[in-house]
Amino acid sequence: SQQGEEDPQALSIQEGENATMNCSYKTSINNLQWYRQNSGRGLVHLILIRSNEREKHSGRLRVTLDTSKKSSSLLITASRAADTASYFCATVFITGGGNKLTFGTGTQLKVEL
Amino acid sequence: DGGITQSPKYLFRKEGQNVTLSCEQNLNHDAMYWYRQDPGQGLRLIYYSQIVNDFQKGDIAEGYSVSREKKESFPLTVTSAQKNPTAFYLCASSRTGANYNEQFFGPGTRLTVL
Repeated sequence: SQQGEEDPQALSIQEGENATMNCSYKTSINNLQWYRQNSGRGLVHLILIRSNEREKHSGRLRVTLDTSKKSSSLLITASRAADTASYFCATVFITGGGNKLTFGTGTQLKVEL
Repeated sequence: DGGITQSPKYLFRKEGQNVTLSCEQNLNHDAMYWYRQDPGQGLRLIYYSQIVNDFQKGDIAEGYSVSREKKESFPLTVTSAQKNPTAFYLCASSRTGANYNEQFFGPGTRLTVL
């Protein structure tokens, strides 16, 4: 079953605005990752945050993790039209060396000019 | 050029036929994964393999089969037992171990059952 639930399901903003997406999960995790998917394409890894971290930055991306609330957020600052895509959170359990990902349902972001 | 390739990009099959989707990686990753994605949904894990000649069922393995005879290759067979096979299939690979969690994805194969 899918562990991550994302909110909102869809988000439409103007170029230059910030976009915030939220992810909630149900059980303890080792780490949480965010991926991006352009329409009809494969996924691209954006950022990983470990369970002992609270905030992480990568360029225009900022991720927070609150393990007490079992939630994470992805902030994209100064959005661009090229940021239009679906964004998925994925939680990770370490199982005997393999790293299974459990994906959320995704947020569809549209950035308009 | 390192990466993951999937072929074909589009695949059509008739009901009752088995079909095999190809996935090859040259990233020297030990672990490989197959996911299914339905419209507007996240990814669901079908099978995964952490090492050659070994694989485990994911959340939705019924109607699918895999093999892992080589490190570089992890083909997925969609059998006639799969009740609703039309979907977008994604293959991924990763290193193994606690510090290597990022998965690298192929471009996907869109399967349509006619």
